[in-house]
Amino acid sequence: EPEVTQTPSHQVTQMGQEVILRCVPISNHLYFYWYRQILGQKVEFLVSFYNNEISEKSEIFDDQFSVERPDGSNFTLKIRSTKLEDSAMYFCASSQVAGNQPQHFGDGTRLSIL
Amino acid sequence: KNEVEQSPQNLTAQEGEFITINCSYSVGISALHWLQQHPGGGIVSLFMLSSGKKKHGRLIATINIQEKHSSLHITASHPRDSAVYICAVRSNTGNQFYFGTGTSLTVIP
Repeated sequence: EPEVTQTPSHQVTQMGQEVILRCVPISNHLYFYWYRQILGQKVEFLVSFYNNEISEKSEIFDDQFSVERPDGSNFTLKIRSTKLEDSAMYFCASSQVAGNQPQHFGDGTRLSIL
Repeated sequence: KNEVEQSPQNLTAQEGEFITINCSYSVGISALHWLQQHPGGGIVSLFMLSSGKKKHGRLIATINIQEKHSSLHITASHPRDSAVYICAVRSNTGNQFYFGTGTSLTVIP
């Protein structure tokens, strides 16, 4: 069964550095999502992406964050000037058609900011 | 504010028991998702509902749009069902998603 893959599984970065989290969605999916889960807290929606542009974003997704689909297969989340509170598990997901389709999640990238 | 509330937060059951997890939401929605998160952190989508009831194996999910409430039932529970079950809703005013805090289920052999 096709899977959403995320790399790396664990990223350790110094505070203030930029980090790029990578995701390869399922190939025929058109809607892409990033979520984060701070340790011990609930999952939070960051952003949804369709047709090469952001379709919705949460209050969390400020100017520090950006997303890109650079090559038709990868879907990346860039976090600039990382802060300690950016430490979390970041999940990528994709769905086939409109948002009202089941989403397929990647295994997540654990981001640790030191 | 919590757009999605789940109960109970924690649940321990004996193998074979019938389990119900509840979800209430306060926003208008176009869909509700039930997700399963395993101890390793991975998330699996169990159901997506916009009305009525869905069944998959031993799992049943129902939704009452008027009451803004959904339930996830597990029949004949098994230790491998031990996980965190998360309710999430998609707002009908955009493509925003709101998540509950999850219900941690432990099924004891």
